[in-house]
Order: sequence, then C-alpha cells, then structure tokens
Amino acid sequence: KAGVTQTPRYLIKTRGQQVTLSCSPISGHRSVSWYQQTPGQGLQFLFEYFSETQRNKGNFPGRFSGRQFSNSRSEMNVSTLELGDSALYLCASSLASLAGTNVLAKNIQYFGAGTRLSVL
Amino acid sequence: AQSVTQLDSQVPVFEEAPVELRCNYSSSVSVYLFWYVQYPNQGLQLLLKYLSGSTLVKGINGFEAEFNKSQTSFHLRKPSVHISDTAEYFCAVSDGNTDKLIFGTGTRLQVFP
Repeated sequence: KAGVTQTPRYLIKTRGQQVTLSCSPISGHRSVSWYQQTPGQGLQFLFEYFSETQRNKGNFPGRFSGRQFSNSRSEMNVSTLELGDSALYLCASSLASLAGTNVLAKNIQYFGAGTRLSVL
Repeated sequence: AQSVTQLDSQVPVFEEAPVELRCNYSSSVSVYLFWYVQYPNQGLQLLLKYLSGSTLVKGINGFEAEFNKSQTSFHLRKPSVHISDTAEYFCAVSDGNTDKLIFGTGTRLQVFP
C-alpha cells in the first residue's frame, strides 16, 4: 500500500507570492492533517480535514487555508508569502472516525516526506 | 489544554549503550501518546503508540516506552543503540477525538561509534 505522498518536495517562492501544496493520503484514509515544522517553533498543527470538512484548526493567520476533495486528497494554500513561512510542511493521514466515537487505532497518523518551502 | 515537554534537546550516547529519552505531558483529559522519529530530510515515522491497555508498549527498531499516568510521563527507551538510530525523536499527545497532535520540541539522539 502506498504511503502518504506530498508534492512537490521542494519549492522556492518570493515574498508576496502564493503557493499550493498537495497531499495524497494512504488509500482508505479519511482524515488529512497539516503541520508546519520550523527550527524556532517546532512542529505546529495547521488544520485537519475529515470528509471534506475542516474539523480542527491551529493558531495560524487566515493566509493559511486548505481543502479536501471527495477522494480525500488535500491541498493547502498560503497566500501573500512572508519570509517566516519558510518551513517544512508535513501532511499526515489517518483512518479517523467521527468525534466522540471509539477511536483506538483509527487516529494513528502516518506522515508524508514533506514539502520544503523556501521564501526569498 | 494539552502540552508536551521533552526535557533533553540533545542526547549523545555511544553505540551499544542504553538510552532513555524523556517525555512528560500535561492534559486534563485521557490521552493517546506517540513517539515519532525523523531522519534527515524525511517526514515523521511512527515508532510506537499508547492508546490503552498495557502501559509498556513496544515499537519498531527495538524501542519501547512506558506510560506512567501518575508521573504523566511516557519515556522512550532502547537497551542498545546503533549508529543508525541517530535522528530526531518527537513525543506527541492527542485527545483522540480528532487527529490534532501536540508535539514536544524534539530530542536529537546522536550515537557515536
């Protein structure tokens, strides 16, 4: 079974531009989450999508947005890029479940290799 | 609110020596606990998880961790490390209702020959 696939692996953009990152989850997984990793702030949760709906959101400005398609693939978009947006963006997928139900193994997340974004 | 503290930012150790990477968490609800490993220029790989049941959990590559509710800890151990274990290790917690993971700041394990 293929793992989580993120494209592209590397991106170079300039300030003010916008960027779209893509994530294809493991087949059968319904939830996709996005994280930002930087040396200064570590790993921070951006948002989670489940069945095409944003279920959870971290503390990031509105310039960061995402969406999920009916096949569970997800994209995240960053508009008006700033130098501080340079980071490794990681996508994770899980089987997931409805909130409040018996979760056990369903919330185990598997990560992709990430997209390294450099903003110049 | 949940939080995770990894007490050591770097742990140097010689090959074949035992190692313990410390993790403490804070949460007002029941938690699920995870350890992930990150090799250079790669994503995160799940090492092991505690969801319920036995407090001693075994993972891949010979690692194990013990969930201690009274100490709110989930320390990672390996009895004998290899050069290939050199990597960054992250402890994480979730409440299980959604997939949101709260990560610690990471511990860099450096194994020397």
